Amino acid sequence: DVKVTQSSRYLVKRTGEKVFLECVQDMDHENMFWYRQDPGLGLRLIYFSYDVKMKEKGDIPEGYSVSREKKERFSLILESASTNQTSMYLCASNLGDVQETQYFGPGTRLLVL
Amino acid sequence: GQQLNQSPQSMFIQEGEDVSMNCTSSSIFNTWLWYKQEPGEGPVLLIALYKAGELTSNGRLTAQFGITRKDSFLNISASIPSDVGIYFCAGQSVAGTYKYIFGTGTRLKVLA
Repeated sequence: DVKVTQSSRYLVKRTGEKVFLECVQDMDHENMFWYRQDPGLGLRLIYFSYDVKMKEKGDIPEGYSVSREKKERFSLILESASTNQTSMYLCASNLGDVQETQYFGPGTRLLVL
Repeated sequence: GQQLNQSPQSMFIQEGEDVSMNCTSSSIFNTWLWYKQEPGEGPVLLIALYKAGELTSNGRLTAQFGITRKDSFLNISASIPSDVGIYFCAGQSVAGTYKYIFGTGTRLKVLA
């Protein structure tokens, strides 16, 4: 079974703090993705990575950065957290073929005060 | 960003009833995925569809990839209380990027 894990299920941070969200997959997948999920808006892609050290912006990259130093690990960074970044953050991965399905982690619910 | 039109937004049904939901798009897709998400959890893949017209089942779930490649539907037969959750469709464009576009979800509640 594919396993995608996220470092925290719940996080509470203050405005202006730097926040790191970690995602690890154990299936040697090429591609990894970060989404945020908000009521009524569905899932929106923040960034994705198709190889180590490679990244591409998704639909809403502003206020975020990412890091992929190892194939199994993809980090999402909020340089200076703001209240409008309060959301559910979902990491996903897939093998690499364009049609390959995505497998999701359990999510991190972030609250920025 | 682009979104899929998913309907209905929510459903309340009696246990044992069949359920149908669908997603439509103005764009052509070459892959459709259906996910279920339970409260506080990440989406779990239910069914993946790769060809126009494809009809695939997974237990009591059946999904079809529309002939026009712009829609897909998911049916759940004889619903049970554990079917409760949010069901999402996701589509991947013919352009062949790694990006998926997600529907806004159908929230299903089953009354015992």
